[in-house]
Amino acid sequence: NAGVTQTPKFQVLKTGQSMTLQCAQDMNHNSMYWYRQDPGMGLRLIYYSASEGTTDKGEVPTGYNVSRLNKREFSLRLESAAPSQTSVYFCASPLPAGELFFGEGSRLTVL
Amino acid sequence: QKEVEQDPGPLSVPEGAIVSLNCTYSNSAFQYFMWYRQYSRKGPELLMYTYSSGNKEDGRFTAQVDKSSKYISLFIRDSQPSDSATYLCVSSAGSGGSYIPTFGRGTSLIVHP
Repeated sequence: NAGVTQTPKFQVLKTGQSMTLQCAQDMNHNSMYWYRQDPGMGLRLIYYSASEGTTDKGEVPTGYNVSRLNKREFSLRLESAAPSQTSVYFCASPLPAGELFFGEGSRLTVL
Repeated sequence: QKEVEQDPGPLSVPEGAIVSLNCTYSNSAFQYFMWYRQYSRKGPELLMYTYSSGNKEDGRFTAQVDKSSKYISLFIRDSQPSDSATYLCVSSAGSGGSYIPTFGRGTSLIVHP
């Protein structure tokens, strides 16, 4: 999707390995979110950043850390990956009126 | 119980049918209502956006919100195979980054030729 870019698109990890998912938006939005999507569970908020320099926990933050590096970038880190973190991860950024723009997603498999 | 509930489906209809997708919510503070469409292996994309009660029409799509019954609907007229996707119902108490949208689990729609 134009405006929100996620990397990598695919990743396979072994249990205990660490990795960082990167997200960048070029729409000059203040807020950015990280979601995970699992079959039958819908989209669940992991962490969000309402503005540069602030981050807050969402519904499922355990096992994750985030960094709002600047206004454009919001990264999600798995310090010690677990099979339960196998999922599709989406970064999103909202317009002031509330509509969310999503990235294409990052598919993570933890063996 | 989630604040936004949707039947996961799948809902299977023939091409040309009128499709009705429904959603209920429990939070009386919700004022903004959105429908997102998500194709397989893609990110969700905004389809319809409404504020408060009423109807909004865009081409073959109509979004309807009844705040008195906390019921949200999306109607698709003359459905096409290209409409086959998962439809996510989303509600929010406000706009701006501190109002986190709440997602339903999504309804899978299959339109067969």
